[in-house]
Amino acid sequence: DTGVSQDPRHKITKRGQNVTFRCDPISEHNRLYWYRQTLGQGPEFLTYFQNEAQLEKSRLLSDRFSAERPKGSFSTLEIQRTEQGDSAMYLCASSLLSAFGTQYFGPGTRLLVL
Amino acid sequence: DAKTTQPPSMDCAEGRAANLPCNHSTISGNEYVYWYRQIHSQGPQYIIHGLKNNETNEMASLIITEDRKSSTLILPHATLRDTAVYYCIVPNNAGNMLTFGGGTRLMVKP
Repeated sequence: DTGVSQDPRHKITKRGQNVTFRCDPISEHNRLYWYRQTLGQGPEFLTYFQNEAQLEKSRLLSDRFSAERPKGSFSTLEIQRTEQGDSAMYLCASSLLSAFGTQYFGPGTRLLVL
Repeated sequence: DAKTTQPPSMDCAEGRAANLPCNHSTISGNEYVYWYRQIHSQGPQYIIHGLKNNETNEMASLIITEDRKSSTLILPHATLRDTAVYYCIVPNNAGNMLTFGGGTRLMVKP
């Protein structure tokens, strides 16, 4: 399968713990995006990378959220000191630089904070 | 991003055409209209996009009005597997994100 993959698919954690999610984009895509989706809502943009550079991070929800893409391939999204309000689906997408509107999404990581 | 307005829900009979409308009256001349759908518990899936000409691919057709203020996504022969939330998005060319609204929840019924 050459699509976008995310790991883990599900994560249950206790409030205050740190969690890290991984995204592997389509290999030739140089753009990678993170979105969050809460129940009944459309996905909400968080941040994106062009190769290894994080070009937009003002929409990360708080300073507890951070993302990396160290070698311009896979990316990680970390949430520190999780809160119950962080419970959501975290989606990753990738695209070509020349076609940012055509994004290919992974299956998402569903986070539950107890 | 240009704001889009879609009906919250629609029903369609299996085998019939599903016509999903979208208003985007503030669209700028060089902004494209994109359609995505999200089947329950999956990530969104790109369907089609267009600028001003009608477009067709293996999944759907996109009809854009001449003034570009609205568009319609057409699924010519809807199946039960087309039950999903459909999002109409007009991303700003200067931006790099997709802004999802509430979408239209399409229910295809047997």
